[in-house]
Amino acid sequence: EVQLVESGGGLVQPGGSLRLSCADSEFTFSSYWMNWVRQAPGKGLEWVANIKQDGSEKYYVDSVKGRFTISRDNAKNSLYLQMNSLRAEDTAVYYCARGSTFDIWGQGTMVTVSS
Amino acid sequence: AIRMTQSPSSFSASTGDRVTITCRASQSVGSFLTWYQQKPGTAPKLLIYAASTLQSGVPSRFSGSGSGTDFTLTISRLQSEDFAAYYCQQYYSYPITFGQGTRLDIK
Repeated sequence: EVQLVESGGGLVQPGGSLRLSCADSEFTFSSYWMNWVRQAPGKGLEWVANIKQDGSEKYYVDSVKGRFTISRDNAKNSLYLQMNSLRAEDTAVYYCARGSTFDIWGQGTMVTVSS
Repeated sequence: AIRMTQSPSSFSASTGDRVTITCRASQSVGSFLTWYQQKPGTAPKLLIYAASTLQSGVPSRFSGSGSGTDFTLTISRLQSEDFAAYYCQQYYSYPITFGQGTRLDIK
């Protein structure tokens, strides 16, 4: 069974940085676009960013452009989200999700931005 | 950005009911639309993609229809495990956007 496992969340002060990771147990990781999606407490889902199979294309929601960077290491079956200049409004559970139809999701990792 | 609007935002129903949730896009998204189910404290689960294709393993009581700007998710006979939040999402253009969600509660 394909599993995605996120890690790297935690409590960070405004202006700080965090790096999230998403590990894929499936050897076909390199065949898929990969996404990050977040959900603020009690709110709906918000797509954050995605990356093409070979890393050559990356897209971001406007609110994180210039602050967040998505990347991947296909040799390690891993997806990353480098988050800089964090704001209170970035507080959310962050999920990684597979493919153009988001058919597999991780369990999520909580990011809390607070002083 | 394409705005996705779901209706209703929440409602109550009973086991065995037929339920329809609608999703309207602010501009055409073709058939690039998915539906997800989310239960409290868990990750979303893909139900329907390409507007009407049932994801493998999803019960056949779930169905999707529509194209362009108007879409529906129908649950033919509600089961107890179906009480959850439902989200539509367009993946026609960037930024990918979700509807605000529909919370389905037990009456």
